[in-house]
Amino acid sequence: EAGVVQSPRYKIIEKKQPVAFWCNPISGHNTLYWYLQNLGQGPELLIRYENEEAVDDSQLPKDRFSAERLKGVDSTLKIQPAELGDSAVYLCASSLEQGQTQYFGPGTRLLVL
Amino acid sequence: EDQVTQSPEALRLQEGESSSLNCSYTVSGLRGLFWYRQDPGKGPEFLFTLYSAGEEKEKERLKATLTKKESFLHITAPKPEDSATYLCAVTLGYNTDKLIFGTGTRLQVFP
Repeated sequence: EAGVVQSPRYKIIEKKQPVAFWCNPISGHNTLYWYLQNLGQGPELLIRYENEEAVDDSQLPKDRFSAERLKGVDSTLKIQPAELGDSAVYLCASSLEQGQTQYFGPGTRLLVL
Repeated sequence: EDQVTQSPEALRLQEGESSSLNCSYTVSGLRGLFWYRQDPGKGPEFLFTLYSAGEEKEKERLKATLTKKESFLHITAPKPEDSATYLCAVTLGYNTDKLIFGTGTRLQVFP
């Protein structure tokens, strides 16, 4: 069974530039999550989707971050404009249903110069 | 404030030297406790879920246990391939979907 797929795996951009990350969850998983992981820290939830609906986006910095999950499958997380402090690993995870075990993708490593 | 604390931050073991990692939590209404393994440059890999005090789960050289205040990940006769960061996370009764992670324990096993 294929796991969670993320792309790109690495991204280097200059500050103030836009950037987008893509996630394809495990087939059949209705719940999708985006996490942010800083170096030496555990992941922190940014946003959670139930199918195509964002049901928890309280930790998403809405002034520069946006996300969408069209048709309830793939998801895109966008930052515009990027700041130096956004350099981190962006992880996508999915679960079969709400409250079930979350399975993580490999992450996208973002470096903002 | 709901909090998860892992100790030690880093652990160096000789191959075959058994040890334990600790995850303590101060939360209101624990729903589940999760252990993940994370290798450098990769996402967290699910290991175990524990739901109630006294519960134990095993997988190869790893054994996870849960009490009312903490969880232990016991590593028996570790091998170099067990080297990784081990992350503990909890979900709460009032929000079963939000994983609250600790900062992890970096384990290095030397041959």
